[in-house]
Amino acid sequence: EAQVTQNPRYLITVTGKKLTVTCSQNMNHEYMSWYRQDPGLGLRQIYYSMNVEVTDKGDVPEGYKVSRKEKRNFPLILESPSPNQTSLYFCASSFRGGLGQPQHFGDGTRLSIL
Amino acid sequence: GENVEQHPSTLSVQEGDSAVIKCTYSDSASNYFPWYKQELGKRPQLIIDIRSNVGEKKDQRIAVTLNKTAKHFSLHITETQPEDSAVYFCAALSSNTGKLIFGQGTTLQVKP
Repeated sequence: EAQVTQNPRYLITVTGKKLTVTCSQNMNHEYMSWYRQDPGLGLRQIYYSMNVEVTDKGDVPEGYKVSRKEKRNFPLILESPSPNQTSLYFCASSFRGGLGQPQHFGDGTRLSIL
Repeated sequence: GENVEQHPSTLSVQEGDSAVIKCTYSDSASNYFPWYKQELGKRPQLIIDIRSNVGEKKDQRIAVTLNKTAKHFSLHITETQPEDSAVYFCAALSSNTGKLIFGQGTTLQVKP
């Protein structure tokens, strides 16, 4: 089944404790992206990747890191999480980013930073 | 920077009525405009999209119109049903940067 898989789905942690949210897609998509969703603010792009070894900042990259060493994986790293990073996070992928292809979203990861 | 403005933030209609959600974008390099529906607790799902070389697209009860000159696009839902109740997001993709910018979302409530 074609899908985008995020792990974990839920995480409660403390300020400053490094964490990684994994994202994997099995559709051979070139484009992958991370968003955070906060009430009243919609979906805001954190980082995106047009292809392997290519990553770019979205609108809200501060406090986050990503890597794209393989086509299928695009982990989101919070080196020193803070409470303002408490949010619902979505990973998404599409066949080609710049050409305007539909994005497929994962089920989301709810992060709570205490 | 680039942004997408979406209105209204909430919309309540009677079952069977039409619903219209409007978005404006700022980046003239935007060339792809998807609309997503998100039900409570679930992922956003694409319901319709339109590319910049097309002015209108329709899929059963859902249609999208695009006015490139005005940098404006709209979602039209006809004969609304209670299962159309959800949050709807518009978005605009920049052909220059690959960034996908979302609107703030519209909560649609369809009353039976």
